[in-house]
Amino acid sequence: EAGVVQSPRYKIIEKKQPVAFWCNPISGHNTLYWYRQNLGQGPELLIRYENEEAVDDSQLPKDRFSAERLKGVDSTLKIQPAELGDSAVYLCASSLNAGGGTEAFFGQGTRLTVV
Amino acid sequence: GNSVTQMEGPVTLSEEAFLTINCTYTATGYPSLFWYVQYPGEGLQLLLKATKADDKGSNKGFEATYRKETTSFHLEKGSVQVSDSAVYFCALWARSNFGNEKLTFGTGTRLTIIP
Repeated sequence: EAGVVQSPRYKIIEKKQPVAFWCNPISGHNTLYWYRQNLGQGPELLIRYENEEAVDDSQLPKDRFSAERLKGVDSTLKIQPAELGDSAVYLCASSLNAGGGTEAFFGQGTRLTVV
Repeated sequence: GNSVTQMEGPVTLSEEAFLTINCTYTATGYPSLFWYVQYPGEGLQLLLKATKADDKGSNKGFEATYRKETTSFHLEKGSVQVSDSAVYFCALWARSNFGNEKLTFGTGTRLTIIP
């Protein structure tokens, strides 16, 4: 069975340009997460979906970041416009549900470099 | 708020040495605790977990015990191998200040095992 698939793996853009990341979770997983991982740090949650509903977007910088999960399956995270400080690895993860002991499965991430 | 503090790296050990990576946490309520591992070129994957006090999680020779009295979840392995070289993240699942439950990660510990 395929794991969490993310694309692209790498992206280099100039500041002020838009960028989008795509994630296809594991089939049947209702919960989808987007994390940002800065160099030398642990992942930090940006947004969590339960099916197509964003149930926790408290850490998403809404002035420039947006996300959607149409039909409750795959998801897109967008940044517009990108800033130098947005350079990071963006991770997508999914789980069957959001219970405390539920394992989250991570994709390989998209490494974004803003120049 | 919730937080995880783990041993700073990098950690370099010889093959067959004993490993301990310290992890302590601060959280409201009764969190679930996890160790995730990231091998070179791969995504984060769950190594082991414990969902209540005094539980011991174990996998691939690694162990960690949920110690509520010391708020710790130290990772141990009796005899490390070169293939254990990776970055290890301690994490907790608990309710945040915003009322949402989420996974909070430590900063990661890079482990290198030399033959």
